Amino acid sequence: NAGVMQNPRHLVRRRGQEARLRCSPMKGHSHVYWYRQLPEEGLKFMVYLQKENIIDESGMPKERFSAEFPKEGPSILRIQQVVRGDSAAYFCASSLQTGHYEQYFGPGTRLTVT
Amino acid sequence: QKEVEQNSGPLSVPEGAIASLNCTYSDRVSQSFFWYRQYSGKSPELIMSIYSNGDKEDGRFTAQLNKASQYVSLLIRDSQPSDSATYLCAVNKGDSNYQLIWGAGTKLIIKP
Repeated sequence: NAGVMQNPRHLVRRRGQEARLRCSPMKGHSHVYWYRQLPEEGLKFMVYLQKENIIDESGMPKERFSAEFPKEGPSILRIQQVVRGDSAAYFCASSLQTGHYEQYFGPGTRLTVT
Repeated sequence: QKEVEQNSGPLSVPEGAIASLNCTYSDRVSQSFFWYRQYSGKSPELIMSIYSNGDKEDGRFTAQLNKASQYVSLLIRDSQPSDSATYLCAVNKGDSNYQLIWGAGTKLIIKP
């Protein structure tokens, strides 16, 4: 019973490079959410996707950030031209399509921008 | 006023005692409430969900919801050192079924 998987677990990028974070939802789950967590701060919603659709990206910065969840393969969160302020833990969660959307989290990707 | 408020702590509780964690929220329309546990450097882990007024028990954990007072709490009975973690309260945003608003968390320390 595999849970939500994320890779890489740790990612170091220099300023200006691209960061690509991957998330495979729990088996049977078709809803994916991305969150960002800064040290000693709460979780911030970024984007909600279903297969091939972005449902809500209201929490994602308009520039440099993009997300996708293709028909085949994992969901990808892409950050272009990273800056030091992008350093954070990025968590992916998934849920079943039910009336109440209990979200289960992956282990996260710790992004460090040098 | 924050949308979801929690006392940041740390809350120190002796081993074997009851730990009581509290959360208030501002949106009266919210219908779904969740408690997550997060160990340092790890991801949030779902402990309890509650959708109706009253109590919901699961093992040593009891979630309590009072929509009139816009208040949700988590009780941990027979606290163990392994319960030491940050506890996050999450509430659905308005009438959204998926977007959660998160509290900053309460750090709980169980003293042996």
